[in-house]
Amino acid sequence: ELKVEQNPLFLSMQEGKNYTIYCNYSTTSDRLYWYRQDPGKSLESLFVLLSNGAVKQEGRLMASLDTKARLSTLHITAAVHDLSATYFCAVDPLLKTSGSRLTFGEGTQLTVNP
Amino acid sequence: KAGVTQTPRYLIKTRGQQVTLSCSPISGHRSVSWYQQTPGQGLQFLFEYFSETQRNKGNFPGRFSGRQFSNSRSEMNVSTLELGDSALYLCASSFGRGAGDTQYFGPGTRLTVL
Repeated sequence: ELKVEQNPLFLSMQEGKNYTIYCNYSTTSDRLYWYRQDPGKSLESLFVLLSNGAVKQEGRLMASLDTKARLSTLHITAAVHDLSATYFCAVDPLLKTSGSRLTFGEGTQLTVNP
Repeated sequence: KAGVTQTPRYLIKTRGQQVTLSCSPISGHRSVSWYQQTPGQGLQFLFEYFSETQRNKGNFPGRFSGRQFSNSRSEMNVSTLELGDSALYLCASSFGRGAGDTQYFGPGTRLTVL
């Protein structure tokens, strides 16, 4: 069974600081997605990572994928309050034996304080 | 371009009843997936439809079913509702099933079972 683990699950940081969210997964895959969810809202697509070494950046967020280590990171640079949200990573396994199209991590609840 | 739409947005039902949720994908998208989100279990995959055929199914009981129509619109049905079925049900659409096909999520249907 595919497992996707994120850490930390809760992150409180000050504006202007940097931090990294980690996403580990248990099966071979080179399809990893990052989503953002604001309270009471749906999921917003942030990044699609499709190969080993892939790096994508958008504003203060940068995501990377290491398929050999089965690890993706979401790096936050100089955080601002608007980044407060829950961030999910999701893996699409190469093999369909898990029966799942996307398996999500538990989510990281990020709070950026002034 | 209109996003994924889901109806209804909110539903209150009682145990034992059945419910049907509807999802209209982004125009041109042929793949529709359904997910259940609860505070305890997180985001879990229910099923995926592509070209009116169920392609993947998650680990949910047979009370959960779905279908897709020729215009790619999808419905999911839950029969004999249980209290534990209270959740946010999210529909996601993608153009196809390939590696670069990001899933775009709808606003969700909040189901409360009393």
